[in-house]
Amino acid sequence: DAGVIQSPRHEVTEMGQEVTLRCKPISGHNSLFWYRQTMMRGLELLIYFNNNVPIDDSGMPEDRFSAKMPNASFSTLKIQPSEPRDSAVYFCASSPRGGGRNTEAFFGQGTRLTVV
Amino acid sequence: GESVGLHLPTLSVQEGDNSIINCAYSNSASDYFIWYKQESGKGPQFIIDIRSNMDKRQGQRVTVLLNKTVKHLSLQIAATQPGDSAVYFCAENSGGSNYKLTFGKGTLLTVNP
Repeated sequence: DAGVIQSPRHEVTEMGQEVTLRCKPISGHNSLFWYRQTMMRGLELLIYFNNNVPIDDSGMPEDRFSAKMPNASFSTLKIQPSEPRDSAVYFCASSPRGGGRNTEAFFGQGTRLTVV
Repeated sequence: GESVGLHLPTLSVQEGDNSIINCAYSNSASDYFIWYKQESGKGPQFIIDIRSNMDKRQGQRVTVLLNKTVKHLSLQIAATQPGDSAVYFCAENSGGSNYKLTFGKGTLLTVNP
């Protein structure tokens, strides 16, 4: 299994530009998570999907952030417009048992976003 | 709010020694805990988990201990190897939602050859 696949691995963009991060979860996993990691705040859950439906987006910082999961094998996290404070590593993770008590999540390699 | 807490310490050990990484949590409702390892440039990788009805669980070279009385979790790594050098995170599930993990800030483990 190739694991969770994220693209791009690195993204440098100018403030005000739209940024789209992509994720392909592990086949058969019904739960997908987007996390953001910074030195100051650590790993933060942004949004959680179960069976392609957004269940909890309370961690999304503001309206500039949006996420979609059009099918079981693809998700996007979009930031529009981007700001320097959005610079972070964004991780996608998937889990085969998101609805149960075992919430082990398998993480992708992350996308390092730099907004200048 | 309640959270899992690590004060981002750094632990430096000699190759072959045992390592102990600690984690304090404050949410007494937490009933599931995971340790993750994150190597430089990679995503967190699952190491071992434990439920609150247990106080010890062993894996390959790793042992997790849970003390619910003092809300403390530890990860023990036996015969530490250079490949164990990474940031280690504990994470908890509080039971309020069966999917949301709260991560600590991490401990940097450095293994000296």
